[in-house]
Amino acid sequence: GAVVSQHPSRVICKSGTSVKIECRSLDFQATTMFWYRQFPKKSLMLMATSNEGSKATYEQGVEKDKFLINHASLTLSTLTVTSAHPEDSSFYICSARAQEGAVEAFFGQGTRLTVV
Amino acid sequence: GENVGLHLPTLSVQEGDNSIINCAYSNSASDYFIWYKQESGKGPQFIIDIRSNMDKRQGQRVTVLLNKTVKHLSLQIAATQPGDSAVYFCAENNFGNEKLTFGTGTRLTIIP
Repeated sequence: GAVVSQHPSRVICKSGTSVKIECRSLDFQATTMFWYRQFPKKSLMLMATSNEGSKATYEQGVEKDKFLINHASLTLSTLTVTSAHPEDSSFYICSARAQEGAVEAFFGQGTRLTVV
Repeated sequence: GENVGLHLPTLSVQEGDNSIINCAYSNSASDYFIWYKQESGKGPQFIIDIRSNMDKRQGQRVTVLLNKTVKHLSLQIAATQPGDSAVYFCAENNFGNEKLTFGTGTRLTIIP
């Protein structure tokens, strides 16, 4: 199957700093990528849909100024958590579609963010 | 909001036995369903999918059943192995909507 790589896998940062998470499609071009947040023992919550070359579409309740998404190329989308606070600590996961019109998405390995 | 206090449904199965994981979906317009496996600290991994024009689909050791009448989806894993221990999520999608909606998940534990 298609490979999606997420980096870093774990990050610890201080309150008030910003953290960037990268999501790369390694063997295919992804016009659409998705960013999810997952709390412990909970399901995946969609945060935003990232489209190459255009602004991301955020889900209701997700602060776009807090979670900056950039999809600069067909193989890379980034999520930046700005001015991080302890409540932003979570597991962040990206996914990408292997082809336009396909529904099936392939997921990255996730990033565990801890804000101290 | 968050379902604070609710625990992830769990299922424990003896190694070698078959397991059945269930999922109820709410959107009658959903026409595509996927089962994902998520191991601790990792992203979801695709297992098997099924479209709404089918009732059953089989893969290697896994079978997905779809009952559109009662909006129910199940994942059967045959001859379970320790490596099957994980959280399993169902996800649904309706044609024209690129988003996947995930269910609450079930933690499957295989007892050696």
